[in-house]
Amino acid sequence: QAGLTQPPSVSKGLRQTATLTCTGNSNNVGNQGAAWLQQHQGHPPKLLSYRNNNRPSGISERFSASRSGNTASLTITGLQPEDEADYYCSAWDSSLSAVVFGGGTKLTVL
Amino acid sequence: QLQLQESGPGLVKPSETLSLTCTVSGGSISSGNYYWGWIRQPPGKGLEWIGSIYYSGSTYYNPSLKSRVTISVDTSKNQFSLKLSSVTAADTAVFYCARTGANSFLDYWGQGTLVTVSS
Repeated sequence: QAGLTQPPSVSKGLRQTATLTCTGNSNNVGNQGAAWLQQHQGHPPKLLSYRNNNRPSGISERFSASRSGNTASLTITGLQPEDEADYYCSAWDSSLSAVVFGGGTKLTVL
Repeated sequence: QLQLQESGPGLVKPSETLSLTCTVSGGSISSGNYYWGWIRQPPGKGLEWIGSIYYSGSTYYNPSLKSRVTISVDTSKNQFSLKLSSVTAADTAVFYCARTGANSFLDYWGQGTLVTVSS
């Protein structure tokens, strides 16, 4: 059972903008923010952003993250076919002393 | 470039203990500032955090798995390990090891290893 809530699926057209959401509470997302991971079928997840909008080296500027209260968001601009993947959010939960994940959002690029 | 590689049996019998090791290369597990964690993903399902360990041996575990999980570290071999006891078919999953920054974000991942629980 996922600790954070993500919509199961989002569909957008090529070159459009997709915004994925991740809702937690004041013990996790609302506390230290969220990280976002991208996972293509058959591959390990890849970190896209952490602590709301820090991007690791090599991650495209088309990926940007933000947070408002207990909800984190990942915005992907100029959607490309290779952006079609599963996206997970994660956060440290201070009440559980554990990392919690969202259930994942499957992004389809039409 | 930091690399992580999981190793261990791909098949475990029900009620037995699953044991996996993660070997870290391209960096020291003792460098500090990072925890080293285990995550699993049942076929076709989402990610589940199992737990993490600091090079000093300090650990955090998923409360739902805590009674069955032990994570240990061997700094001399630059490895950390996972033991999951009393496994059932529900524990069948791809198991990943990963580096954890600030014990909250997972920035380097191994390729993952599929462990099937079956008699």
